[in-house]
Amino acid sequence: DIQMTQSPSSLSASVGDRVTITCRASQSISSYLNWYQQKPGKAPKLLIYAASSLQSGVPSRFSGSGSGTDFTLTISSLQPEDFATYYCQQSYSTLGTFGQGTKLEIK
Amino acid sequence: QLQLQESGPGLVKPSETLSLTCTVSGGSISSSSYYWGWIRQPPGKGLEWIGSIYYSGSTYYNPSLKSRVTISVDTSKNQFSLKLSSVTAADTAVYYCASSYYDILTGYYYFDYWGQGTLVTVSS
Repeated sequence: DIQMTQSPSSLSASVGDRVTITCRASQSISSYLNWYQQKPGKAPKLLIYAASSLQSGVPSRFSGSGSGTDFTLTISSLQPEDFATYYCQQSYSTLGTFGQGTKLEIK
Repeated sequence: QLQLQESGPGLVKPSETLSLTCTVSGGSISSSSYYWGWIRQPPGKGLEWIGSIYYSGSTYYNPSLKSRVTISVDTSKNQFSLKLSSVTAADTAVYYCASSYYDILTGYYYFDYWGQGTLVTVSS
């Protein structure tokens, strides 16, 4: 099974900050990497697919990069509505494992 | 735009079978571009993919749950269902159904629409 490891597990930041979350795969997954945002009590929301493609309707302050084993999600200027938990997911294999999540909190 | 809605009992006894149904609206479950999946999230924990099904009936299961999981599809009702047998307290979770868009040319897939989720508690 492909393991996905996110870092950090939690992060405190302020409105307007630039934030980067990292996701590492246990083997090369090319660009088969998705990012989701989840707010408390809500279903996850797709942000980025294929490592760097922005899902329709998602603000352009969100961006993704990487290939192989190392990936990043960047929020260029944090907005109040961005405080949430973020998950990466590999789609290289049928067993689409998720990372453990990164909780983004207000400083 | 697709909409998905989970339904089923919120309380299941240990050793019994958990059964949930997902009703799809706003599109056809027989679309060639979509698989249909179940994902769960134990309270305070992360996401776990349970399995997915294509409208033809082809299924893919998480190996860690495969011996207990059955996913089926009813194209006439635009629904797909999850059965998880021999449940224990460890199966207590919010269960989500989701659409998985699949790009046949590139092989990319991702969960683009999700149901609101339903909490299933395993307790006697």
